[in-house]
Amino acid sequence: GAVVSQHPSWVICKSGTSVKIECRSLDFQATTMFWYRQFPKQSLMLMATSNEGSKATYEQGVEKDKFLINHASLTLSTLTVTSAHPEDSSFYICSARDEGALDTQYFGPGTRLTVL
Amino acid sequence: GEDVEQSLFLSVREGDSSVINCTYTDSSSTYLYWYKQEPGAGLQLLTYIFSNMDMKQDQRLTVLLNKKDKHLSLRIADTQTGDSAIYFCAESRHNFNKFYFGSGTKLNVKP
Repeated sequence: GAVVSQHPSWVICKSGTSVKIECRSLDFQATTMFWYRQFPKQSLMLMATSNEGSKATYEQGVEKDKFLINHASLTLSTLTVTSAHPEDSSFYICSARDEGALDTQYFGPGTRLTVL
Repeated sequence: GEDVEQSLFLSVREGDSSVINCTYTDSSSTYLYWYKQEPGAGLQLLTYIFSNMDMKQDQRLTVLLNKKDKHLSLRIADTQTGDSAIYFCAESRHNFNKFYFGSGTKLNVKP
C-alpha cells in the first residue's frame, strides 16, 4: 500500500514554544491530507483537512491560529502547534488521500507530542 | 448522524476466531474500512468494503456488511498473539473527503 511518513516521531518541548510536524506521502501525490489528534485510549479526532495550494478547513472547535497547517506541495503538509501548552500533549496522526484505484486515506505513524 | 460505535474490548484465545462489530448511522456511507493500530503506532489499513457489497474475504479476514441494519463486522480466523491491537472501523461518505471513526476495539489474544 501507499506510504505516509511523519517527522518527528516524538517531540518534547517547553510550554510556550512552537512545534512543527511534517507529513509526507512518499509514493503518491496527495492533494488532500488530514490531521487527527488522538488522546490515550480514545479514537481519532479529525482536526482539519489540508488542501494543497489553499487554506485548510478546520473542524468545529479547533483553533486555526493555534494549529497552523501548510500544504505547499502535493507530497508535504505541515502542522505547527503554536505556543504549545501541556494540554496540547497528544498523539498527532496525519493521513493522505490517495485518489487512485481505491480512494482512501493512508495514515502516517503518528507523532507523540509532550509539552512540559 | 455521525456516530460510529464499537464494543471497547474483546478477549480471545490464540487459534480461536475473533469477531469485532461496528454499527454506523449514516446510510450514505460509500466505503467502510477496518484499520489496525498497534501501541504507539499509526493506523494500518487492513481491509475495506464498498457499501454495495455484503461480504469480502481476504486471507484470514472476513468482512460482513448488513446495510439494512448498518452493521459491519470483522472476523479474524485463527487469531494470533500478533493480532493483539486496537481495531477501528471507519466510514467515508459522499466524495470520500472525511472519515468517521469508531471508538476502537481493543483485541487481546491470550496464548
